[in-house]
Amino acid sequence: GAVVSQHPSRVICKSGTSVKIECRSLDFQATTMFWYRQFPKQSLMLMATSNEGSKATYEQGVEKDKFLINHASLTLSTLTVTSAHPEDSSFYICSAVQVVNSPLHFGNGTRLTVT
Amino acid sequence: DAKTTQPTSMDCAEGRAANLPCNHSTISGNEYVYWYRQIHSQGPQYIIHGLKNNETNEMASLIITEDRKSSTLILPHATLRDTAVYYCIAAVEGAQKLVFGQGTRLTINP
Repeated sequence: GAVVSQHPSRVICKSGTSVKIECRSLDFQATTMFWYRQFPKQSLMLMATSNEGSKATYEQGVEKDKFLINHASLTLSTLTVTSAHPEDSSFYICSAVQVVNSPLHFGNGTRLTVT
Repeated sequence: DAKTTQPTSMDCAEGRAANLPCNHSTISGNEYVYWYRQIHSQGPQYIIHGLKNNETNEMASLIITEDRKSSTLILPHATLRDTAVYYCIAAVEGAQKLVFGQGTRLTINP
């Protein structure tokens, strides 16, 4: 069964508003979670590493003030897309490791559409 | 992480074995070969991984060449539900930051 859960699975918002996406690890604690973005017909691109209790680490080219990450507990990381624009429309996916040296598990993604 | 090369797309008949190749000629000695797949509009799903020995689980088999420069993922009896994009990734064990290439779009035909 799924070990990483994302919510919501789909969201539509108006340009200029903010959207929060949740990523939860089920039945395990994840000190680190990862956020990916996937545009249509493209591969996944790592956006940032979410660290419990500390600041997220962003990949080059990803605006930290636009994509706010909060990892307030060992089972929850949130990604907030602030002042969303149509070009932010994408598939956002989180991942986490259940056990050290075990493969990454991914959530089922959140389809964001900004109108 | 070593770069991997995969065919852009492949077709396979339902019920037949699907063999997906991957080249990773610059793989390091401590890098594993991981396979994930992504069914349309879902997150990637872990399939299998290995270092140098062949591996098999309930989903697939992984055959790694002796020089470790290439590998093949085998889905023994492909079903329509196996239609997906398959990603081959070379990474150290426990790597948490995976770099995804373009993968192979596998289409299983009835």
